[in-house]
Amino acid sequence: GEDVEQSLFLSVREGDSSVINCTYTDSSSTYLYWYKQEPGAGLQLLTYIFSNMDMKQDQRLTVLLNKKDKHLSLRIADTQTGDSAIYFCAEAGGFKTIFGAGTRLFVKA
Amino acid sequence: EAGVAQSPRYKIIEKRQSVAFWCNPISGHATLYWYQQILGQGPKLLIQFQNNGVVDDSQLPKDRFSAERLKGVDSTLKIQPAKLEDSAVYLCASSTDRDRYNEQFFGPGTRLTVL
Repeated sequence: GEDVEQSLFLSVREGDSSVINCTYTDSSSTYLYWYKQEPGAGLQLLTYIFSNMDMKQDQRLTVLLNKKDKHLSLRIADTQTGDSAIYFCAEAGGFKTIFGAGTRLFVKA
Repeated sequence: EAGVAQSPRYKIIEKRQSVAFWCNPISGHATLYWYQQILGQGPKLLIQFQNNGVVDDSQLPKDRFSAERLKGVDSTLKIQPAKLEDSAVYLCASSTDRDRYNEQFFGPGTRLTVL
């Protein structure tokens, strides 16, 4: 069945780069997403990538997609304390979106 | 533009009681989703509406959960009777059909504790 897996925790120092990784199983996924969830709030779309792309850059965010290995990563350059949150990887094929369990990013000042 | 509204924000009930959650999506959004987010897990889709029709309710425990979206706008999710394992955050989201990448906009959620 469909499944999305991510590591649960990542800790980085302020100013360093963060890399959050994700693997998914559905090879028919059309779009892959990164959502951010801050405490007490709902999820908010950070960025997405279409399945025929290898990379997408948006300011401090870089998304890399390896479709052969079904691996997605999110790199945050110059990580700030305000980036501390839970980051969810998600895949969508057709109508359904499947979310991973989320990676909690801790940023140390 | 106003975001997705949900109420209540918090609810504490005893097992076997009933509870209802309400969601008001972003104006004009045709698709509405209800997700269950258990602590430490990602959101799991319970039910998806397009306008007032059900697109997917395959993971909705229909013996105790029900949902409706009257007039294709607001929606309510009900649990009757609640079990301890229903303790979770219930997230409502909405999306427009007009963008190909289907961004979902989430409300703040209702945190349910079943004692």
